[in-house]
Amino acid sequence: RKEVEQDPGPFNVPEGATVAFNCTYSNSASQSFFWYRQDCRKEPKLLMSVYSSGNEDGRFTAQLNRASQYISLLIRDSKLSDSATYLCVVNLGSQGNLIFGKGTKLSVKP
Amino acid sequence: NAGVTQTPKFQVLKTGQSMTLQCAQDMNHNSMYWYRQDPGMGLRLIYYSASEGTTDKGEVPNGYNVSRLNKREFSLRLESAAPSQTSVYFCASNLQGSTIYFGEGSWLTVV
Repeated sequence: RKEVEQDPGPFNVPEGATVAFNCTYSNSASQSFFWYRQDCRKEPKLLMSVYSSGNEDGRFTAQLNRASQYISLLIRDSKLSDSATYLCVVNLGSQGNLIFGKGTKLSVKP
Repeated sequence: NAGVTQTPKFQVLKTGQSMTLQCAQDMNHNSMYWYRQDPGMGLRLIYYSASEGTTDKGEVPNGYNVSRLNKREFSLRLESAAPSQTSVYFCASNLQGSTIYFGEGSWLTVV
């Protein structure tokens, strides 16, 4: 089983749609979790950290389920500017142990 | 507000040539990393440095060497480039356990 798995997509959605991305991780000792966004030919940038109680930042909501080893990202009212690849990232807690998923590509259409 | 700066941005090498990718950060981070990103493969860790003076292998270290010159700088060297090393290379840094910040990437083509 791969350490961090994501649906590669692409997810093609109309503006205003709600879209959800899922991510599973294999190491139960994982300590912290993040969603990064990567635009075409750009570097990954932090979108949001994922907390055990779930957290929201504007139109974005992240959830963590430690029992199921599952992370999610919900985007409400999608904008054209949300088009990007979303990377799930798991930190095993020691140096050099940030594990990146391969990313889920989102394309928001007018 | 420089953050993580890496050079060069684009490079074409012939098989067997050597080159060094330079990386510097101005955020006083202890840890620095080199990743490569290939289509369909995601980001893979080449080497990392937890602190000045230390370096460790990541997932795909073969064909690369690194040097943590000081707290700010972490370079990646290809001694004898191979076509399989054609990739996008990202330098990154963070304080242990905190958000990781990336440079803008270096596009390397080995012909």
